[in-house]
Amino acid sequence: DAGVIQSPRHEVTEMGQEVTLRCKPISGHNSLFWYRQTMMRGLELLIYFNNNVPIDDSGMPEDRFSAKMPNASFSTLKIQPSEPRDSAVYFCASSNRSNQPQHFGDGTRLSIL
Amino acid sequence: GDSVTQMEGPVTLSEEAFLTINCTYTATGYPSLFWYVQYPGEGLQLLLKATKADDKGSNKGFEATYRKETTSFHLEKGSVQVSDSAVYFCALTRNSGNTPLVFGKGTRLSVIA
Repeated sequence: DAGVIQSPRHEVTEMGQEVTLRCKPISGHNSLFWYRQTMMRGLELLIYFNNNVPIDDSGMPEDRFSAKMPNASFSTLKIQPSEPRDSAVYFCASSNRSNQPQHFGDGTRLSIL
Repeated sequence: GDSVTQMEGPVTLSEEAFLTINCTYTATGYPSLFWYVQYPGEGLQLLLKATKADDKGSNKGFEATYRKETTSFHLEKGSVQVSDSAVYFCALTRNSGNTPLVFGKGTRLSVIA
């Protein structure tokens, strides 16, 4: 079975540029989560969706961050404009329901110069 | 609100040593409890789980018992290997409602030969 697929695996870009991270959840999963992981702050939940609808985006750090889920098999996390402090590993995860065990992708390592 | 507290790391052990990583939780009702493991460069993977009091989850030589009286779910392994070096996360979820997992901050384990 294919797991959660994230792209790109690595992204290096200059500050001010737009960054788009992509996620394909496991087929049949109804909940999708975006996390950010840094050494300083650990694992942070940014936003999650149930049935393609955003439920809680209180973890999104600023208006520069936005997330969409246009259909059940695709989600994006966008940062515009990007800043060096956005450098982190961003994970996408999915589950059957939001209170069920989550399956994580391998993450996107983002470096903003 | 619900929360998970893990022992702070890093934890450094010699190969074949006994491992305990403490985890306590605060939650209303009867949550399900999980341990996730994150190997370097990868996403989090579900290691084991327990859904009710006195349940013991086990996998790959790791065990954890759901102790409601002490609100704990400590992770143990009798003999660690170098390949167990990773970050371990304790997590909980409510069995009712539709809220996501709550993760602890993670404990880094390094096993040296």
